[in-house]
Amino acid sequence: DAGVTQSPTHLIKTRGQQVTLRCSPKSGHDTVSWYQQALGQGPQFIFQYYEEEERQRGNFPDRFSGHQFPNYSSELNVNALLLGDSALYLCASSFRPNQPQHFGDGTRLSIL
Amino acid sequence: QKEVEQNSGPLSVPEGAIASLNCTYSDRGSQSFFWYRQYSGKSPELIMFIYSNGDKEDGRFTAQLNKASQYVSLLIRDSQPSDSATYLCAVPSPEYTGNQFYFGTGTSLTVIP
Repeated sequence: DAGVTQSPTHLIKTRGQQVTLRCSPKSGHDTVSWYQQALGQGPQFIFQYYEEEERQRGNFPDRFSGHQFPNYSSELNVNALLLGDSALYLCASSFRPNQPQHFGDGTRLSIL
Repeated sequence: QKEVEQNSGPLSVPEGAIASLNCTYSDRGSQSFFWYRQYSGKSPELIMFIYSNGDKEDGRFTAQLNKASQYVSLLIRDSQPSDSATYLCAVPSPEYTGNQFYFGTGTSLTVIP
């Protein structure tokens, strides 16, 4: 039973660039949420996708956008990268939006 | 006031003792509560969740809810060194409009052999 998979595991970008992170949910799950976790902090909710629509969004600027595909996988896009975007980006999946979420191993994004 | 607050610790307990972790939440309408364990450099792992209708025990872990005081506790009995990690409390928004999970900053637990 494959868990939540994320790619890439590590990424280094420079300020102003754009990045796309990918997530495949756990088998049987249809909902994907994205979180940003800065060092020493708890995960901060970015947005959640269900039925290929963004259902709820946290307090993140429009530079953060996403997409969910018919196979429930998802992408997180970040434009015009800032140094402050350096963090661990976590994808979590669940069966339906309000059920327990299971996290992937994350993508460590470093901005130089 | 943050939606979910935790004492960042660190909390140190000797091996075999009971570790008690607490989390307070601001929204009185919250209906479910989740505990995640995060080892250093790893992603959060769901270890337990409870609903507002009662406490729950799973092996060495017990989650308890105090609705009147708006806090939820995680007790770890017979603590082991492998329990050393950061424990995150998460509370979903009470309305089904999607589901925004609020996480606390986590409590760092060290179990001393």
